[in-house]
Amino acid sequence: EIVLTQSPATLSLSPGERATLSCRASQSVRSYLAWYQQKPGQAPRLLIYHASNRATGIPARFSGSGSGTDFTLTITSLEPEDFAVYYCQQRSNWPLATFGGGTKVEIK
Amino acid sequence: QVQLVQSGAEVKKPGASVKVSCKASGYTFTNYGFSWVRQAPGQGLEWMGWISTYNGNTNYAQKLQDRITMTTDTSTTTAYMELRSLRSDDTAVYYCAREAYDKSDYWGQGTLVTVSS
Repeated sequence: EIVLTQSPATLSLSPGERATLSCRASQSVRSYLAWYQQKPGQAPRLLIYHASNRATGIPARFSGSGSGTDFTLTITSLEPEDFAVYYCQQRSNWPLATFGGGTKVEIK
Repeated sequence: QVQLVQSGAEVKKPGASVKVSCKASGYTFTNYGFSWVRQAPGQGLEWMGWISTYNGNTNYAQKLQDRITMTTDTSTTTAYMELRSLRSDDTAVYYCAREAYDKSDYWGQGTLVTVSS
């Protein structure tokens, strides 16, 4: 099973700051990586698919990069609504998939 | 607009089964498959499996293979997930998600399943 490790577990930042979230895979997942945002009491929301493609309606301040085993989600300038938990998901051996453990972005 | 509406919360005893439904609307049902994902209280997301609405093919997470069945009903555009032999650690919110090639692009609202004696 491909294991995804997200870091840091918690990121404490202020609105307007840049957030950089990491997702590392135990083996290459090529570019088959997605990012989701989840707020308390809500379902996850797709942000990025195929490593760097923004989903419909996602603001340009969200961007994804990477391939192989190392991936990054960047939020260029945090808005109040961006404080949430972010998960990466690999889909390289579809129809099998796994999620990372998540990174919580909290207000400093 | 695409909508996935799940069935309501369930309370089950250990050893029982639960069947969660996911009613889809706003798109051609057979053009997209479904994944099911669960989230235990205070924990992360766990991918459970996938089903094709085109031919009914399934693939399940290895740890659940012996206890899970996913089905779809194209006449009612509904996906189902049944989990058997429930244990306390199956207590979680269960989500369905539409599978669009390499992404889960729409999600249901979630169904809380509580397993307690």
